[in-house]
Amino acid sequence: DSGVTQTPKHLITATGQRVTLRCSPRSGDLSVYWYQQSLDQGLQFLIQYYNGEERAKGNILERFSAQQFPDLHSELNLSSLELGDSALYFCASSGKTTEAFFGQGTRLTVV
Amino acid sequence: GQQVMQIPQYQHVQEGEDFTTYCNSSTTLSNIQWYKQRPGGHPVFLIQLVKSGEVKKQKRLTFQFGEAKKNSSLHITATQTTDVGTYFCAGPKDSGTYKYIFGTGTRLKVLA
Repeated sequence: DSGVTQTPKHLITATGQRVTLRCSPRSGDLSVYWYQQSLDQGLQFLIQYYNGEERAKGNILERFSAQQFPDLHSELNLSSLELGDSALYFCASSGKTTEAFFGQGTRLTVV
Repeated sequence: GQQVMQIPQYQHVQEGEDFTTYCNSSTTLSNIQWYKQRPGGHPVFLIQLVKSGEVKKQKRLTFQFGEAKKNSSLHITATQTTDVGTYFCAGPKDSGTYKYIFGTGTRLKVLA
């Protein structure tokens, strides 16, 4: 158990809809990262937050947004969903080192 | 943009054989990390290398960081079925950043 909690584990939704993925980092970790992993693909960095502020941005679509709340949990919002958005979405957190601890992931299926 | 490539993409080995995966970056890296992702699981941090030419060992796993800090390798001696999974390397996009670019991964299958 990495200590990072992601909910829900599975999500099935229709095209055009909006979903919210939630992540609770390890206790004490200030950094939260979001990654997308498509079938047979590597991990694509989406965005990083540190103590509530956006720190780094990757190839995140404009339809996607994220935030980190004062209690350090984070949410990734995906809107106007398309079939191609179907993927595993991982959240990871880190503390004083750059070692990232990954959650179990949310498997999103867009139908 | 920065790219991190790994070879091979797939590797099937007989249990007891050795395995090596190679990671190559288009830019110099301040450090490199390795992760393992079991089938159906999430990436798990294995190790971080920082120094040029650094070699670190974890039981049957040997990690190496190239002299030019643009490549790295992971070697597993006498593979076991528990080694099955995808091995990713990851390097920071820029020095001092927490934005890590993950490699394409090497999927290892071990045949008993």
